[in-house]
Amino acid sequence: EAGVTQFPSHSVIEKGQTVTLRCDPISGHDNLYWYRRVMGKEIKFLLHFVKESKQDESGMPNNRFLAERTGGTYSTLKVQPAELEDSGVYFCASSHPGSGNTIYFGEGSWLTVV
Amino acid sequence: GEDVEQSLFLSVREGDSSVINCTYTDSSSTYLYWYKQEPGAGLQLLTYIFSNMDMKQDQRLTVLLNKKDKHLSLRIADTQTGDSAIYFCAELNQAGTALIFGKGTTLSVSS
Repeated sequence: EAGVTQFPSHSVIEKGQTVTLRCDPISGHDNLYWYRRVMGKEIKFLLHFVKESKQDESGMPNNRFLAERTGGTYSTLKVQPAELEDSGVYFCASSHPGSGNTIYFGEGSWLTVV
Repeated sequence: GEDVEQSLFLSVREGDSSVINCTYTDSSSTYLYWYKQEPGAGLQLLTYIFSNMDMKQDQRLTVLLNKKDKHLSLRIADTQTGDSAIYFCAELNQAGTALIFGKGTTLSVSS
């Protein structure tokens, strides 16, 4: 069974540009999460989807970040326009309701804004 | 608010036991987790414990939970060089929608 997959694995963009990160959760997982870790800080929650609905987006830092999960399958996280402080690792995770809350993470998308 | 604290570094010799400690603030947390991140890699779920348990053992890993003191520990028996990584403690928030992570403990294993 494939795990949580994320694309791209690494991205270097200039300040002001746009980047779109993609996450494919484990098949059948209704819960999908985005987290990020900026340099030297904790891994912070961004938002949580249940199927295509945003259940909790309290962690989204500002309106430059837009997450979507059309159709309840894969999700995208767009940063527009990117700022230097957005550099870090963006993790996607998924879980299946009733699985004991075992939450599986992807390898992360490493974003560098220069 | 919810908060998770861990010591930042631990250094052990190969073959010794490692104990990584974590404290959390939310007494209503139902699940607590340990994740491992190897250099350049993603977060690997190592184990988790439900709050009504005191201990969980899985091969070389032992998780101890002291709910009264809000203290969680991860013991790795017979630590190997391949165990060198960052270990993150996390609790599930009150709403059950998000994980609250500690800053991670960097485990260094010397041969």
